[in-house]
Amino acid sequence: LAKTTQPISMDSYEGQEVNITCSHNNIATNDYITWYQQFPSQGPRFIIQGYKTKVTNEVASLFIPADRKSSTLSLPRVSLSDTAVYYCLVGGYNTDKLIFGTGTRLQVFP
Amino acid sequence: NAGVTQTPKFQVLKTGQSMTLQCAQDMNHNSMYWYRQDPGMGLRLIYYSASEGTTDKGEVPNGYNVSRLNKREFSLRLESAAPSQTSVYFCASTGRVGYTFGSGTRLTVV
Repeated sequence: LAKTTQPISMDSYEGQEVNITCSHNNIATNDYITWYQQFPSQGPRFIIQGYKTKVTNEVASLFIPADRKSSTLSLPRVSLSDTAVYYCLVGGYNTDKLIFGTGTRLQVFP
Repeated sequence: NAGVTQTPKFQVLKTGQSMTLQCAQDMNHNSMYWYRQDPGMGLRLIYYSASEGTTDKGEVPNGYNVSRLNKREFSLRLESAAPSQTSVYFCASTGRVGYTFGSGTRLTVV
């Protein structure tokens, strides 16, 4: 299973765009990249998943370069409620056991 | 739309006691998982079940056993609880897109 590396923490202010980058140098050909969000005392919540190029949904965008060795989660115009831990995971499409790292703790200030 | 339901939500055990954490999903998912999360840490995989009748060890299986009773239910058992097993336990299942997590069981072993 591909190991991921992401910043331990990030700070932002309301209304700003936040980009969290994840490195996964040994990603396999059939691996997907998935991001989860976790609030205190709750289980992680699926945000977005992609394989290559760009994926966008109502919550975030995911940018994946051609070599797929990294990915960037982009949160547009964050609010205080986006304060959470964000996990980047790499694995097979939904059926593989996913290994969580320590994630990136995002703190949004007013 | 219950998703993944875990019981109990809180539990205090004495060292050496046993208990079973229950998990059920109503989304007809094949794969189910048990994770633990220690304070300030990421999630670590304990056991998983790719389908009914099969189980496999994850990163930290020692001290735990699991049972995939049917497609809906996946239980986690602590035979002889130890203080090192104090943690928050999350059950999850996977479907078409991403994991769905339960709300967690906060376990304290004294």
